[in-house]
Amino acid sequence: NAGVIQTPRHKVTGKGQEATLWCEPISGHSAVFWYRQTIVQGLEFLTYFRNQAPIDDSGMPKERFSAQMPNQSHSTLKIQSTQPQDSAVYLCASSLGLGVNYAEQFFGPGTRLTVL
Amino acid sequence: AQKVTQTQTSISVMEKTTVTMDCVYETQDSSYFLFWYKQTASGEIVFLIRQDSYKKENATVGHYSLNFQKPKSSIGLIITATQIEDSAVYFCAMREIDYGNEKITFGAGTKLTIKP
Repeated sequence: NAGVIQTPRHKVTGKGQEATLWCEPISGHSAVFWYRQTIVQGLEFLTYFRNQAPIDDSGMPKERFSAQMPNQSHSTLKIQSTQPQDSAVYLCASSLGLGVNYAEQFFGPGTRLTVL
Repeated sequence: AQKVTQTQTSISVMEKTTVTMDCVYETQDSSYFLFWYKQTASGEIVFLIRQDSYKKENATVGHYSLNFQKPKSSIGLIITATQIEDSAVYFCAMREIDYGNEKITFGAGTKLTIKP
């Protein structure tokens, strides 16, 4: 089974440009999560979807960041007008379903975003 | 709000020995999940083991086991018979059990180095 797929693996943008990051969850998984990892802040939750519906976006910066899940096979994280402080590794994770047997989240390899 | 604290920044041990990594957490919830993840040098984040707060038995998977002390809000990871490939950064993490509160809160990580 393929794991969580994230594309691109590396992205370099200029300040002010838009960046779109893609995530394909593990087939059959109903929840998709986005996290961000930096040296200073560590691993931070951004947002998540269950059955394609947005459930919690409490970690998303209110401006410039948006996430969507148009179908069960992919989710996107879009950053408008990128700033140098947006430079980070953006991680997507998925989990199988509800209930105590499905608590684990499985992570993709991440997209390293560098904003110059 | 949940908080996870790993005070050990780095640990170095000899191969084939046993190592324990500490983690304490804060939560208002009576039931929750606790996890340990491993991040390899390539950046891959791998789920290792999980403890359900309502279970008294310590979880064990392969050469990973947990020391769960609920009154102390502590969940230590024990790795026995360490191998070179166990060198990685280890993250302690937690999440609520309830639907709609599935985001994971991570600790800062402990870098483990296994010496030959």
